Amino acid sequence: NAGVMQNPRHLVRRRGQEARLRCSPMKGHSHVYWYRQLPEEGLKFMVYLQKENIIDESGMPKERFSAEFPKEGPSILRIQQVVRGDSAAYFCASSPGPAGELFFGEGSRLTVL
Amino acid sequence: QKEVEQNSGPLSVPEGAIASLNCTYSDRGSQSFFWYRQYSGKSPELIMFIYSNGDKEDGRFTAQLNKASQYVSLLIRDSQPSDSATYLCAVNFNFGNEKLTFGTGTRLTIIP
Repeated sequence: NAGVMQNPRHLVRRRGQEARLRCSPMKGHSHVYWYRQLPEEGLKFMVYLQKENIIDESGMPKERFSAEFPKEGPSILRIQQVVRGDSAAYFCASSPGPAGELFFGEGSRLTVL
Repeated sequence: QKEVEQNSGPLSVPEGAIASLNCTYSDRGSQSFFWYRQYSGKSPELIMFIYSNGDKEDGRFTAQLNKASQYVSLLIRDSQPSDSATYLCAVNFNFGNEKLTFGTGTRLTIIP
């Protein structure tokens, strides 16, 4: 029973390039969350999605960031025109439904040169 | 702004002693509370959750919740070196939307 799968685990981009991070939730989970963690800091909520719907994007920067969770395939967090401040670990989590605990993937670590 | 506050530590505890980790939250209407453990460079893993006032025990771990004081704690009995990690408190401020708001975490070191 696979857990939450994220890829790539490590991604290096130069300033101005695009980063795409993918997340496949646990089997049977239809809710996906993206969090960002800067070094030595806590997890900051970015966006909550269900299949084909964005439920809560209150933590997502208004520019350059977008997320989707299509009917088929993984959820994708897309960062356009990356800047050095985007360097962080991006964690995806899934849950089976309302009031459920979150299960985290291993994270994708983005480094912007 | 709904917030979760934790003492960042580091908290050092001798092996075999009880480690006590504390967390306060800002919204009195919060419904569910979670403790995650995160080893350096790894993902958070769920240790315990608690919904009702009082204590909830699971092995060496006890979660304590006091909604009137807006306070949740985690006790680790018989601390082991493998318990050394950052412990993250998380609160669900909106029942039905499981978005969790995390504290910044407390770094715990168990001293052999």
